[in-house]
Amino acid sequence: QSVLTQPPSVSGAPGQRVTISCTGSGSNIGAGYDVHWYQQIPGKAPKLLIYGNNNRPSGVPDRFSGSKSGTSASLAISGLQAEDESDYFCQAQDTSLSAVFGGGTKLTVL
Amino acid sequence: QVTLKESGPALVKPTQTLTLTCAFSGFSLSTSRMRVSWVRQPPGKALEWLARIDWDDEKFYRTSLKTRLTISKDTSKNQVVLTMTNMDPVDTATYYCAREIVGSSKFDSWGQGTLVTVSS
Repeated sequence: QSVLTQPPSVSGAPGQRVTISCTGSGSNIGAGYDVHWYQQIPGKAPKLLIYGNNNRPSGVPDRFSGSKSGTSASLAISGLQAEDESDYFCQAQDTSLSAVFGGGTKLTVL
Repeated sequence: QVTLKESGPALVKPTQTLTLTCAFSGFSLSTSRMRVSWVRQPPGKALEWLARIDWDDEKFYRTSLKTRLTISKDTSKNQVVLTMTNMDPVDTATYYCAREIVGSSKFDSWGQGTLVTVSS
């Protein structure tokens, strides 16, 4: 049982927009800590996709965006492409000073 | 360019102690605000943060595993070592080390991971 809750799977057709939610609590996201998102191709290491709620590292397409409100955050992917098919994880810090992760969401491009 | 690479045994027996090494380049753990963490991922499951060590040698562990984990650094070798005692089959996972800048809370660079299987 992960501290942050994500839907197990989402899907969308090429060109569509999908969102992935990440729900926490008052001891992590709701405490004001930033939310970060990682993309993980099966068998590979996670890659930082969005940091500080809504910032993209260099090289990440602007099709990826993030937002945060209250105890939740969301990752949006617009103009869906086949190469976006991957697993996505959210992460934040907790008041226990631990890093906490979501359970991960598998994105399928139909 | 920041790179990290994990190494260690692929197979350990139950009750044994696991020792993993993270060799990194592109930054120094003697530099202020640098931090290295260990994160694991059981097959098909979520990421789980385990432990971290800071440039000033401050260490912090996952509460549920605190009694089994020890993290240390060798600044001269650019290495971080994690030991986990009393290994159990449920500890079977890919173990990653990752770099963090203190205050950012994000893991901006990751190693490739090393799969550790616990089995007799």
